[in-house]
Amino acid sequence: QQQVKQSPQSLIVQKGGISIINCAYENTAFDYFPWYQQFPGKGPALLIAIRPDVSEKKEGRFTISFNKSAKQFSLHIMDSQPGDSATYFCAASAADKLIFGTGTRLQVFP
Amino acid sequence: DGGITQSPKYLFRKEGQNVTLSCEQNLNHDAMYWYRQDPGQGLRLIYYSQIVNDFQKGDIAEGYSVSREKKESFPLTVTSAQKNPTAFYLCASSIAQGKGAFFGQGTRLTVV
Repeated sequence: QQQVKQSPQSLIVQKGGISIINCAYENTAFDYFPWYQQFPGKGPALLIAIRPDVSEKKEGRFTISFNKSAKQFSLHIMDSQPGDSATYFCAASAADKLIFGTGTRLQVFP
Repeated sequence: DGGITQSPKYLFRKEGQNVTLSCEQNLNHDAMYWYRQDPGQGLRLIYYSQIVNDFQKGDIAEGYSVSREKKESFPLTVTSAQKNPTAFYLCASSIAQGKGAFFGQGTRLTVV
């Protein structure tokens, strides 16, 4: 019940396209859902986050869509750029822990 | 600059030796975390601490130990009991437990 399931494992997108990464959870106590971006050899960086009382949050080219009834949330990267090539992790937290998905390796080709 | 500093960036140790990884933060965050990352895998929680002098085991605490004597510091010791210690170790902190964690740049530990 503590798991966060993330898909796909890898994603290849052409420059200018839309990248979509999905996550699902079971624990209804989760109340905070961040997304992290990680470049090789670096620590993850907080990208964008959402709380369950909001269905969508947008920051620049990055949008989180949240479906509370389905217990699913997704990251959309609009106008994907080669510089977006990285590994993306979704996460969920409740009370005292931050649980991570298994990550999606995104490659954006020019 | 505020942030989280992990040191060293690379660490090599012989099998059977204990090794301590440093994590310092000047963000005035109460909560601190240690995660382990293996190639192609997600982040697995080793230990976390919500307050000085208190910490809890995460999902993979066996073979690891921590201390939280100061708010700013949360060192991780990888003991000889850890069967597969070679990994990328990440320290994080957050202003409130479980929320908006900020990560250090990691320590890559190789045990030979």
